[in-house]
Amino acid sequence: TQLLEQSPQFLSIQEGENLTVYCNSSSVFSSLQWYRQEPGEGPVLLVTVVTGGEVKKLKRLTFQFGDARKDSSLHITAAQTGDTGLYLCAGALPYNTNAGKSTFGDGTTLTVKP
Amino acid sequence: DTAVSQTPKYLVTQMGNDKSIKCEQNLGHDTMYWYKQDSKKFLKIMFSYNNKELIINETVPNRFSPKSPDKAHLNLHINSLELGDSAVYFCASRIGTSGSRETQYFGPGTRLLVL
Repeated sequence: TQLLEQSPQFLSIQEGENLTVYCNSSSVFSSLQWYRQEPGEGPVLLVTVVTGGEVKKLKRLTFQFGDARKDSSLHITAAQTGDTGLYLCAGALPYNTNAGKSTFGDGTTLTVKP
Repeated sequence: DTAVSQTPKYLVTQMGNDKSIKCEQNLGHDTMYWYKQDSKKFLKIMFSYNNKELIINETVPNRFSPKSPDKAHLNLHINSLELGDSAVYFCASRIGTSGSRETQYFGPGTRLLVL
């Protein structure tokens, strides 16, 4: 059973379009992180959200943590070809139950065409 | 000035062989991880060490044996390789375990292909 489900799994859009990627779970997380992974590389952290309802912005990227801390979204405004990559969300269960382990979602592969 | 490095980057081997992957971090972190990423890009944790002590051991065949000679190194030895072991293996490190909101730094991955 996948603890964190991401949607959509694949997304192909034109440069300049907006998009939203979702990360959903039935579990409550103490924090949630978003990573981007480019081909042939390891994932790189984009943001960490901690508080329910929290919104963080990173240039054209807007991240939101659900009020109940079970879900999150990533919105990209005016996508660029450089945004192409695999986007992964990772949720952390409370420390006393998992020794700081993060569980990763199944990923969203984004392709931005020129 | 590489933060987390892995060797080798590519590994092609025959079924039944034994192989090792090495990982080193120069960030001074206390915690290191091994992840397996399958062909569908799903990233699954395998092991975690904190200051050379095993703290996370997921359901992984005992053919996989991690070893941490010091807190900057975490190696992964795989015995009797099987076709299903083909994947990309990522090493990662984090400053500690007290805050899972801390950043994990990933290595570039080792692409293992078992023939």
